[in-house]
Amino acid sequence: EVQLVESGGGLVKPGGSLRLSCAASEFTFSDYGMTWVRQAPGKGLQWVSSISSTSGFVFYADSVKGRFTVSRDNAKNSLYLQMNSLNAEDTGVYYCARSLGTVKTVWFDPWGQGTQVTVSS
Amino acid sequence: SYVLTQPPSVSVAPGQTARVTCGGNKIGAKSVHWYQQKPGQAPLLVVSDDSDRPSRFPERFSGSNSGNTATLTISRVEAGDEADYYCQVWDSGSDHHVFGTGTKVTVL
Repeated sequence: EVQLVESGGGLVKPGGSLRLSCAASEFTFSDYGMTWVRQAPGKGLQWVSSISSTSGFVFYADSVKGRFTVSRDNAKNSLYLQMNSLNAEDTGVYYCARSLGTVKTVWFDPWGQGTQVTVSS
Repeated sequence: SYVLTQPPSVSVAPGQTARVTCGGNKIGAKSVHWYQQKPGQAPLLVVSDDSDRPSRFPERFSGSNSGNTATLTISRVEAGDEADYYCQVWDSGSDHHVFGTGTKVTVL
């Protein structure tokens, strides 16, 4: 069964940094793009960033561009999200998901269980 | 940026049909995907590419998309269908993925 397991979340002070990881298993990781989606407490889903299978294409939401960096290590079947200059609005559960689709569209399946990020002094 | 609008809530009696709408400018020209999220759980893909359904979900779940509205239809609703549902598209104009505002489906 395809599995994604996030880690690296925690409590960080405003202005601080955190690096999230997502370990993938039971599929050929290097064949797929990957995505990060977050969810603030009691709120809806918000796309954060996506990366193509070979890291040739990366995309960011406007709210995180310049502060967050997505990367991957296909040899380690792992996806990463380096988060800098964190603020309270970055608080939430961060999910990694596999990107599926065509040249016209992309959807996400499956999703990991999520890792909690809390930005507070 | 592209905006997807969903009703905050939909209530339906067991055995009836629930329709969750997702409104967006000319959304019929895009491919729409739907996710189900139950409390404390990660989202699950319900429908991809407007109307393709993964085997994990029964035929009671279906999708359609035309004009300015996409719709997720849940027929013969069961208590276990109670969840939040989100639509999602890829906006090629901005190279951004966009999620709808989410709809809480309540089974009466």
